[in-house]
Amino acid sequence: DGGITQSPKYLFRKEGQNVTLSCEQNLNHDAMYWYRQDPGQGLRLIYYSQIVNDFQKGDIAEGYSVSREKKESFPLTVTSAQKNPTAFYLCASSQQPTNTGELFFGEGSRLTVL
Amino acid sequence: GENVEQHPSTLSVQEGDSAVIKCTYSDSASNYFPWYKQELGKGPQLIIDIRSNVGEKKDQRIAVTLNKTAKHFSLHITETQPEDSAVYFCAASAGGGADGLTFGKGTHLIIQP
Repeated sequence: DGGITQSPKYLFRKEGQNVTLSCEQNLNHDAMYWYRQDPGQGLRLIYYSQIVNDFQKGDIAEGYSVSREKKESFPLTVTSAQKNPTAFYLCASSQQPTNTGELFFGEGSRLTVL
Repeated sequence: GENVEQHPSTLSVQEGDSAVIKCTYSDSASNYFPWYKQELGKGPQLIIDIRSNVGEKKDQRIAVTLNKTAKHFSLHITETQPEDSAVYFCAASAGGGADGLTFGKGTHLIIQP
């Protein structure tokens, strides 16, 4: 089945530790995105990548880092510099160039920092 | 940058009635307006979208209208059913969706039996 796989689904970490969230897609999409979701806040864009080896900051990139070494993979690292890391993280992809603009989302990773 | 406002934050309707969710956007260059539905514990899924060259689009029980002059767009769900209960997000993009969407804060739609 084609889709986006995020792992882990739940993650607990101590304050000050870096954590990496995995996102893999087998849709052959060029563009991939990371969003953060907080209760009552909607989805906010962290980073996006339109092509391998290239990525751009979104609206709330501070304290996060990404890499795009392979088309299928777009891991997100939440660093110790992120002041409020506890959130639900969503990865998405879209076909590029796109004639629909549809984003396909994974099922999310819930990070809790203790 | 783009700013999207969405209202109401919670909407409760009787099963079979209609539901309307409204969004406004700030960037007049925005030309793509999708709506996503998110069920509990899952990622959002596209349910309908509209581009700026169209004023209305319908797909079975759901429809979206766009008023470019007023910079607002709305989601209409008719004959609501229990499975319509979810959180709905509107979004806007100036790049046809390719550069990432700006989302509203979401509407929790509750269908009362």
